[in-house]
Amino acid sequence: GESVGLHLPTLSVQEGDNSIINCAYSNSASDYFIWYKQESGKGPQFIIDIRSNMDKRQGQRVTVLLNKTVKHLSLQIAATQPGDSAVYFCAENTDNAGNMLTFGGGTRLMVKP
Amino acid sequence: DGGITQSPKYLFRKEGQNVTLSCEQNLNHDAMYWYRQDPGQGLRLIYYSQIVNDFQKGDIAEGYSVSREKKESFPLTVTSAQKNPTAFYLCASSTKMTGTTQYFGPGTRLTVL
Repeated sequence: GESVGLHLPTLSVQEGDNSIINCAYSNSASDYFIWYKQESGKGPQFIIDIRSNMDKRQGQRVTVLLNKTVKHLSLQIAATQPGDSAVYFCAENTDNAGNMLTFGGGTRLMVKP
Repeated sequence: DGGITQSPKYLFRKEGQNVTLSCEQNLNHDAMYWYRQDPGQGLRLIYYSQIVNDFQKGDIAEGYSVSREKKESFPLTVTSAQKNPTAFYLCASSTKMTGTTQYFGPGTRLTVL
């Protein structure tokens, strides 16, 4: 079936550098995407979302880019901090799925001091 | 964690016993969900409910049961029929609208002894 996946299971970056976490999706009907951050032993926390009528959305230190042509989603974190160390999940929603989300497997971000 | 609470945070159970995990939300959300997460893995949907007194099986419902008697509450029972119940259990809620974010609770870690 169609699914959301991630290119890199683990990403290690130096503190202060920018991080880019990628996600590929295969369902061209997906029209809403979310990035979550999950720290160890905690529930996923909403970071940012984007709808398919946009290709870029910015938050505080985070930017999500959506490339519908190649079905690719990315999360950029500026000036990565130790507190950014976590597992990051992307999730997608398709209109015919109502409010159901399909989650990717996650990428672990490790920030080196 | 928003307005979603889960209890207890840690739960230990002997084999053959049923156990109930609590999930409460004060976000006035119609929809609630239960997910299971195994170490290093993504989220798998157990059950979901779009409205009071109604719920649907997710991808891995065998060995689990739920009830939705109140809008605010969606308890999950892990029965003795669940062959491998040790996992991290996450509850979430959302509106019923298409393309909407799910907000997660802090999770319950269940260990079967």
